[in-house]
Amino acid sequence: DAGVTQSPTHLIKTRGQQVTLRCSPKSGHDTVSWYQQALGQGPQFIFQYYEEEERQRGNFPDRFSGHQFPNYSSELNVNALLLGDSALYLCASSFQGLNNQPQHFGDGTRLSIL
Amino acid sequence: GNSVTQMEGPVTLSEEAFLTINCTYTATGYPSLFWYVQYPGEGLQLLLKATKADDKGSNKGFEATYRKETTSFHLEKGSVQVSDSAVYFCALSDKGGTASKLTFGTGTRLQVTL
Repeated sequence: DAGVTQSPTHLIKTRGQQVTLRCSPKSGHDTVSWYQQALGQGPQFIFQYYEEEERQRGNFPDRFSGHQFPNYSSELNVNALLLGDSALYLCASSFQGLNNQPQHFGDGTRLSIL
Repeated sequence: GNSVTQMEGPVTLSEEAFLTINCTYTATGYPSLFWYVQYPGEGLQLLLKATKADDKGSNKGFEATYRKETTSFHLEKGSVQVSDSAVYFCALSDKGGTASKLTFGTGTRLQVTL
């Protein structure tokens, strides 16, 4: 049973570029959440997708956008990259129909902005 | 808004020592509470959870009790091992814990030495 998988593992970009990160949820899960974890900090919630729609959003600018596909996989897009966007980006999946079940996390994509 | 406060690290202990990592929270209503662990280069793994007041979560020798009167969820282990060295995150979810966003503390690094 595959867990949450993210790609790529590492990515290096320069300021002003755009990036797309990908996530496949754990089998049986239908909801995907994205988090940004800066070095030495706890993860910060970016947004959550369910039924191909953004359901909740954290305090992140519109440069951060996402998408969910019919197979429940998801993408995180970041435009006009800033040095401060350097972080570990974590994807978490869960199932809407079960209460009190925890979110399962992938190993993340480490994004470095030069 | 919701917030989680953890004791700052790093915490350095000798093997077989007793561990306490303090966590307090601020939230409206009745959040679910979690401890996640992050090993170097990996994503977050759920360690334990509690979904209502006075619940005790436990796993792999770690325990934490949901204390509503003190808004706390302190992590304890009676005898730590070198393999417990990692970063520990306290987190809360304000909607039954399944698909709602997680709010994390800043993490506490634990280093266990022989």
